[in-house]
Amino acid sequence: DAGVTQSPTHLIKTRGQHVTLRCSPISGHKSVSWYQQVLGQGPQFIFQYYEKEERGRGNFPDRFSARQFPNYSSELNVNALLLGDSALYLCASSLGRGGLWETQYFGPGTRLLVL
Amino acid sequence: DQQVKQNSPSLSVQEGRISILNCDYTNSMFDYFLWYKKYPAEGPTFLISISSIKDKNEDGRFTVFLNKSAKHLSLHIVPSQPGDSAVYFCAAPMDTGNQFYFGTGTSLTVIP
Repeated sequence: DAGVTQSPTHLIKTRGQHVTLRCSPISGHKSVSWYQQVLGQGPQFIFQYYEKEERGRGNFPDRFSARQFPNYSSELNVNALLLGDSALYLCASSLGRGGLWETQYFGPGTRLLVL
Repeated sequence: DQQVKQNSPSLSVQEGRISILNCDYTNSMFDYFLWYKKYPAEGPTFLISISSIKDKNEDGRFTVFLNKSAKHLSLHIVPSQPGDSAVYFCAAPMDTGNQFYFGTGTSLTVIP
């Protein structure tokens, strides 16, 4: 079975540009979360989506936005890129049954470099 | 504010010996904790969890201990194997949904 897939794997942008990152969850998973991992730090929660609705948002500026599509895939958009946005962006999917925590399955990430 | 902390960025252990990775937390309301393992160029993978109602959970070579009074948990790997070389993150859930705070990670190197 295919795991969580993310595209692109690597990306180079310049300051002020816009970027769109994509994530396809494991088949049957309805919840998608996004995390940012800056070098030397742990993953930091950005968004969670379930059934196309935002379920949670971390402490990130409005330049960050996301959405989930009917097929449960998701996009993370970042506008007006800053040098500090350079990071590994991780997508995680889970069944989304609610209740107690669920095992999160992470994709390999998209490495974004902002110059 | 770092809710989950891993104060040791790296650890080296001989093959066959015990690896102990530590994690501290600040929020006494956390009701469970998880450990993830991450290899280079891969996403983190779930390793083991522990509920706050327990003080120990074991899965094969991996055991997690929880000391609630000290707000401290540790992951023990016995015996350590070279394939265990990876970055290990501890994590705890946020108030809402399936969202987590992660520590900064400890890079474990198991020397053959």
